[in-house]
Amino acid sequence: DAGITQSPRHKVTETGTPVTLRCHQTENHRYMYWYRQDPGHGLRLIHYSYGVKDTDKGEVSDGYSVSRSKTEDFLLTLESATSSQTSVYFCAISEGYLAGGYTFGSGTRLTVV
Amino acid sequence: AQSVTQPDIHITVSEGASLELRCNYSYGATPYLFWYVQSPGQGLQLLLKYFSGDTLVQGIKGFEAEFKRSQSSFNLRKPSVHWSDAAEYFCAVGALGLTGGGNKLTFGTGTQLKVEL
Repeated sequence: DAGITQSPRHKVTETGTPVTLRCHQTENHRYMYWYRQDPGHGLRLIHYSYGVKDTDKGEVSDGYSVSRSKTEDFLLTLESATSSQTSVYFCAISEGYLAGGYTFGSGTRLTVV
Repeated sequence: AQSVTQPDIHITVSEGASLELRCNYSYGATPYLFWYVQSPGQGLQLLLKYFSGDTLVQGIKGFEAEFKRSQSSFNLRKPSVHWSDAAEYFCAVGALGLTGGGNKLTFGTGTQLKVEL
C-alpha cells in the first residue's frame, strides 16, 4: 500500500541464522505492528510500537525482537530462525484512534529451511 | 478480551450470484468492526468499517455489511459477485487497550472465496 513498504519481499534462510525484516512508512503514524499470517490462524500480533523506542509484546512474541529508532522504521528480528517461523509477515501502521483501521504492507514471505 | 469468529473457511459461489460472508464477534462494549480483503500475494485492504450510526454500511467494490447487535454479527454481503472478488476476507474487531493507548485489531481466521465462472 502507498506509504508503507516491507523488505525483503521474499527470503529463504537456514535454521539458526538471524533474520531482520524491515518496515518503512512515510505516513508519520505513531503505531506500527508486526503480524504473522499462517493458514488456519489468520493474523496474529507479534510485537507493536507506540512511538520511537516504545515497543511491547503481542500474543506470539517468543523468538522475536523488535526495534524502532525512527518514526518511519520498525524492524523485526528473528534471533535464531526456526522452521516454525516460516510464515508470511505483515507490517501495519495506524494513527491509533479507535475508529481507524490499519494500513498493511505487502508482506514478507519467509522460509526457514 | 475481544474475539472474532468466521465460521466458513471456504465459500464457492458462481459469478453473478449473491454473497454473504459471516462474522461473529465477542466484545463487552460497542464494537468497532472492520472487513478486510486480501488478494493472493498482497497485503490486506480495508473494505469497510462500522463504529456508530446506520447499521448498514457501504464499502468499496460494491460490498456492504450489516451490524446486528442482538446477534453479535457483522456479515459482509455483495449482490452480484465478480470473478475478481476471489480472495480471502477477514473480519476484525477493534478496541483500545494496547500499551500506549492505541487501537488493537483482533482478526478472524479468514474466509477464502472462490468464484466459479
